[in-house]
Amino acid sequence: DTAVSQTPKYLVTQMGNDKSIKCEQNLGHDTMYWYKQDSKKFLKIMFSYNNKELIINETVPNRFSPKSPDKAHLNLHINSLELGDSAVYFCASSQEGQGDGYTFGSGTRLTVV
Amino acid sequence: GQSLEQPSEVTAVEGAIVQINCTYQTSGFYGLSWYQQHDGGAPTFLSYNALDGLEETGRFSSFLSRSDSYGYLLLQELQMKDSASYFCGGIGAGSYQLTFGKGTKLSVIP
Repeated sequence: DTAVSQTPKYLVTQMGNDKSIKCEQNLGHDTMYWYKQDSKKFLKIMFSYNNKELIINETVPNRFSPKSPDKAHLNLHINSLELGDSAVYFCASSQEGQGDGYTFGSGTRLTVV
Repeated sequence: GQSLEQPSEVTAVEGAIVQINCTYQTSGFYGLSWYQQHDGGAPTFLSYNALDGLEETGRFSSFLSRSDSYGYLLLQELQMKDSASYFCGGIGAGSYQLTFGKGTKLSVIP
C-alpha cells in the first residue's frame, strides 16, 4: 500500500492551460502539504492544510489553489500555466507540527511548453 | 521567517565518515529534521532532533545545538548508495510548516 500517492507522475502541457494534480494519503495524518522542487533541487513549501486552516506561502501565485474534499486528499489546481511553473511537485502529509513524520509522495514532474 | 544554510556539495570516500552542517535562523523553532533524496526520488525522513544533543540511528546520527542555532548530520561507514541530496529542515513557531535548506549533494566515491 502506497502511503502518499499522487497522480499523474508526469504532466506535459501548454502555456495557458489549467491542470490539476491529485494526492491521497492513507496514513491517517491530519495535515497535508504541497512542495515545489525546482531545477536547482530547492524544496519550497507552497501550502499546508488541515481541517482547521489553510496556510499559504506568501510567494505562491494565486493561480495555484489547493482543494481538499476530505482529510485524506489534497489536490493542487493550477490556472493559466506558465513556463516557470515547470518543476517537480511533491505532496506530503504528517501529524500537525511534527517535523519527524513527513511522508512524501513520489512527485509529479510538470513540464510547461 | 526561517532560513537554513547548508553546504551545496560534499564529496567523500566509501567507508569514510562525513558530516553535513546546517545553521538556521528562525523566529521560534521546534526542532531540526533531516531528509534524504536520491535523484528522481522522493524525500525520505532520516532523523529529527527536538532537543539538544545527539540522536543515533544506525550509521546515521544527527546533532542539534539550539544555543548555536546549529546542527549536523553524520554519516558513518559511507556506502555508494548514500550518494544523494540531504536536506535539513525546521518548523518555526506558528507556521507548522517544515521549511528546508537548499540541500547538500553528497557524492560517495570509491
